[in-house]
Amino acid sequence: SQTIHQWPATLVQPVGSPLSLECTVEGTSNPNLYWYRQAAGRGLQLLFYSVGIGQISSEVPQNLSASRPQDRQFILSSKKLLLSDSGFYLCAWSSPARAPYEQYFGPGTRLTVT
Amino acid sequence: GEDVEQSLFLSVREGDSSVINCTYTDSSSTYLYWYKQEPGAGLQLLTYIFSNMDMKQDQRLTVLLNKKDKHLSLRIADTQTGDSAIYFCAESSAGRRALTFGSGTRLQVQP
Repeated sequence: SQTIHQWPATLVQPVGSPLSLECTVEGTSNPNLYWYRQAAGRGLQLLFYSVGIGQISSEVPQNLSASRPQDRQFILSSKKLLLSDSGFYLCAWSSPARAPYEQYFGPGTRLTVT
Repeated sequence: GEDVEQSLFLSVREGDSSVINCTYTDSSSTYLYWYKQEPGAGLQLLTYIFSNMDMKQDQRLTVLLNKKDKHLSLRIADTQTGDSAIYFCAESSAGRRALTFGSGTRLQVQP
């Protein structure tokens, strides 16, 4: 069966510091991968998605970047964090070839920028 | 662009039925989904419905789809305190990579 992992679970970082959040998927190959951000009490905002190694699409201009160095690894990064980067970051995967294209989510990383 | 809207809050008593509503704008939507998010956790897929269906039932969950009005609902029968969570509606269409999510409805179940 497929599983998706995210770490760390929680993170407190000062403004201006770098960021690296990692997401890995097991039990599937060539998944579509997604990064979402959920601000407190809000819905989900799609940040990045990837359909393959090295292929990243950005949905919104921002202070963050994403990379996919391996088929089942997705990394969210920042060189200098802003206060507005605080939130709950969720990674998700979906099968690219099989409808109904549902996405499966990791447990999330709660980031607080101080 | 695509838009999905939900009411923000719903409160029910334990044992009652809950109905969570959602509207969407994309007429080319192919699948519609309901996710559940418990505090501090990721989203859990509850169920989905194909756009050519008007109803789907799965144990205590019933999904109703009115494609003409672009209205989706999730009915939870015999609501329990463990059903307290945020429920997200989402939709997808052919050719679009990601789902479009609503802002979520917080369901509070009172004992």
